[in-house]
Amino acid sequence: GAVVSQHPSRVICKSGTSVKIECRSLDFQATTMFWYRQFPKQSLMLMATSNEGSKATYEQGVEKDKFLINHASLTLSTLTVTSAHPEDSSFYICSARALGRMNTEAFFGQGTRLTVV
Amino acid sequence: GQQVMQIPQYQHVQEGEDFTTYCNSSTTLSNIQWYKQRPGGHPVFLIQLVKSGEVKKQKRLTFQFGEAKKNSSLHITATQTTDVGTYFCAGQVNAGNNRKLIWGLGTSLAVNP
Repeated sequence: GAVVSQHPSRVICKSGTSVKIECRSLDFQATTMFWYRQFPKQSLMLMATSNEGSKATYEQGVEKDKFLINHASLTLSTLTVTSAHPEDSSFYICSARALGRMNTEAFFGQGTRLTVV
Repeated sequence: GQQVMQIPQYQHVQEGEDFTTYCNSSTTLSNIQWYKQRPGGHPVFLIQLVKSGEVKKQKRLTFQFGEAKKNSSLHITATQTTDVGTYFCAGQVNAGNNRKLIWGLGTSLAVNP
């Protein structure tokens, strides 16, 4: 299957700093990438849909100024958690779907476990 | 809003027993997908069902898509310890160009050896 690489896998940062998470599709082009947040033993919560070359679409209740998304190319999307606080600690996962194949499965990155201290 | 309900939330079985998780959507889906997430890992795609009434099998796993394309089930026959994890269904709705997936809450399966 297709490979999505997410980096870093774990990050610990101080409260008030910003953290950037990268999501790369390694062997396919993805016009759309999805960013999820997952709390322990809970489901995936869609935060935003990242579209190459345009603004991301944020889900209700997700602060777009806090969670900055940039999708500059067909293989890379980034999520920046700005001015992080302890309550932002969570597991963030990206997924991507291949160009022109919106009816197929999503391929997930390995996830990033963010801890804000 | 669009929702996909998934039950049960947790299931604890003895190795060798069967297991079933059910998903029910509030709206008609264009397709439904199933994923498995092992503890500490990320979701991994299992299968996609597209046709009304479709049934697919993968070894001990049987997936069904309802006639109305609103509900689906995953049945595991004779569970093994390797089946441990959380099983998610995700329904696709045609939401403009994004066609996002609507995720169930997942069913966490524990298997006693």
